[in-house]
Amino acid sequence: GAVVSQHPSWVICKSGTSVKIECRSLDFQATTMFWYRQFPKQSLMLMATSNEGSKATYEQGVEKDKFLINHASLTLSTLTVTSAHPEDSSFYICSARDPRQGRNTEAFFGQGTRLTVV
Amino acid sequence: QKEVEQDPGPLSVPEGAIVSLNCTYSNSAFQYFMWYRQYSRKGPELLMYTYSSGNKEDGRFTAQVDKSSKYISLFIRDSQPSDSATYLCAFTSGNTGKLIFGQGTTLQVKP
Repeated sequence: GAVVSQHPSWVICKSGTSVKIECRSLDFQATTMFWYRQFPKQSLMLMATSNEGSKATYEQGVEKDKFLINHASLTLSTLTVTSAHPEDSSFYICSARDPRQGRNTEAFFGQGTRLTVV
Repeated sequence: QKEVEQDPGPLSVPEGAIVSLNCTYSNSAFQYFMWYRQYSRKGPELLMYTYSSGNKEDGRFTAQVDKSSKYISLFIRDSQPSDSATYLCAFTSGNTGKLIFGQGTTLQVKP
């Protein structure tokens, strides 16, 4: 299957600083990528849909100015958590569509990034 | 009513047992039905993908969809300790590609 790589796999940062998470599709071009957030023992919640070359579409309740998403190329999307606070500590996961699969949905996820804000 | 209901478990079974995992949903627009496996501190891995009612088999895994009852199941035969993980059902209408996930069921297969 298609490979999606996410970096870093874990990060610890101080409160008030910004953190950037990268999501790369390694063997296909992803016109659309998705960013999810997962709290312990809870399901994945979609934060935003990232489209190459255009602005991301955010889900209701997700702060656009806090979670900056950039999809500058067909293989890379980034999520920047700005002015991070302890309540932003979570597991962030990206996923990407592989158009070769012929399916109208994304199927492949990155390894996830565990963010801890201290 | 939640859009997707999934019992979080945990579910503990002996090695070799048949495991049944289930989800119910309320959105009639859902057209695609998926099961993901997620190991601790890892991203989800797609296990099964179906788009119609009926059964789909892949090795030890069988996915079952009943659209009339809005109910999907995943069966694992001859369960192994390596199957110990969280299993997430996921749904989409297919128009946007956005997935709606269940809470996930934690499965432990004991040797």
